[in-house]
Amino acid sequence: GQQLNQSPQSMFIQEGEDVSMNCTSSSIFNTWLWYKQDPGEGPVLLIALYKAGELTSNGRLTAQFGITRKDSFLNISASIPSDVGIYFCAGLSWGKLQFGAGTQVVVTP
Amino acid sequence: NAGVTQTPKFQVLKTGQSMTLQCAQDMNHEYMSWYRQDPGMGLRLIHYSVGAGITDQGEVPNGYNVSRSTTEDFPLRLLSAAPSQTSVYFCASSYSRIDYGYTFGSGTRLTVV
Repeated sequence: GQQLNQSPQSMFIQEGEDVSMNCTSSSIFNTWLWYKQDPGEGPVLLIALYKAGELTSNGRLTAQFGITRKDSFLNISASIPSDVGIYFCAGLSWGKLQFGAGTQVVVTP
Repeated sequence: NAGVTQTPKFQVLKTGQSMTLQCAQDMNHEYMSWYRQDPGMGLRLIHYSVGAGITDQGEVPNGYNVSRSTTEDFPLRLLSAAPSQTSVYFCASSYSRIDYGYTFGSGTRLTVV
């Protein structure tokens, strides 16, 4: 089964609110990645994290690589309607990329 | 520069039929992977490759074969399709350097009846 536990499974938020989701693993990863998937499309990379403790931002997105290398979180600030989608965490180690089950984000006006 | 190209986009198979899902990338990426996506399950790794001639199993390899004879291509073969293999399949590729994430194709939606 999957080694990555992602939570929450889904979120219903109002436009302008912040969103937080996290991912934990039983295994250590060299790299943590966060992807977003729109309906009918493949996942698109949002943020990549390469060092334990690293905090990285990409516009309204902020993600951190946990100190233990077994966890990561993603924050989205001031959500907008186009933030709707499924967000996946992924851990990369020696070419093997494994995914969490995803967080479905729904943004209401 | 086309990125990761998957064909076909849609396919319906009868139980027991065989087929090959094609994946090609033109970015000279060393790493390539196949995933299946089922509702509520996220993306599960089927097989992956770290270079031409090198493949390894992921989380759910049973019922699937792969080979990597060239850097560009990484086909996924279903030898005897089963209804449990109904899913959306994604191919992805990456450079081996850790500062690149995987790039995904647009997927193949497979239905086995």
